[in-house]
Amino acid sequence: QKEVEQNSGPLSVPEGAIASLNCTYSDRGSQSFFWYRQYSGKSPELIMSIYSNGDKEDGRFTAQLNKASQYVSLLIRDSQPSDSATYLCAVNRARSGGYNKLIFGAGTRLAVHP
Amino acid sequence: DTAVSQTPKYLVTQMGNDKSIKCEQNLGHDTMYWYKQDSKKFLKIMFSYNNKELIINETVPNRFSPKSPDKAHLNLHINSLELGDSAVYFCASSPGLGFYEQYFGPGTRLTVT
Repeated sequence: QKEVEQNSGPLSVPEGAIASLNCTYSDRGSQSFFWYRQYSGKSPELIMSIYSNGDKEDGRFTAQLNKASQYVSLLIRDSQPSDSATYLCAVNRARSGGYNKLIFGAGTRLAVHP
Repeated sequence: DTAVSQTPKYLVTQMGNDKSIKCEQNLGHDTMYWYKQDSKKFLKIMFSYNNKELIINETVPNRFSPKSPDKAHLNLHINSLELGDSAVYFCASSPGLGFYEQYFGPGTRLTVT
């Protein structure tokens, strides 16, 4: 089982719709969760972080975390063609010695069509 | 102002050569990282330094040697390059060792022929 799993997609949504991206993780000790957006040929860009159960909203983006189900999601409202990118879920896992490591999923490719 | 910068952006070299990639961050962060993103776009951590001290050293061949002259700089030297080393290498930084977000540099695309 992969530590962080995402559906590779592509997830295709029409412009203006809600895009829903999902991620599951295996380590119950994970403490913080991040969503990165990566355009083709570019570096990952942090768009959301979430640390506690529930929803966190930032503009058109909402991150949802359910630690009991080991599940984190990202909703993008009013999707735009400029949202077309690969979305990477990242989970911060504690290691022995007090150090942490960010584990990335393989990413979900989102395509928003006009 | 670029927060995390890397040089060079592109690197094309032949098998057996030695090359270096440099990274600098002006965010005042204590922790820096090297990641490798392969052709399947999977992003995996290689090394982590906190205030010039090596913290994480994943299963990476000894041909890869990171160096941090100060907490704002992290370099990666690769000896005896192999075809399988072709990838995009990203530098990142975070405020510290805790459960903080990480910020990525623009990446260095390494092609070994």
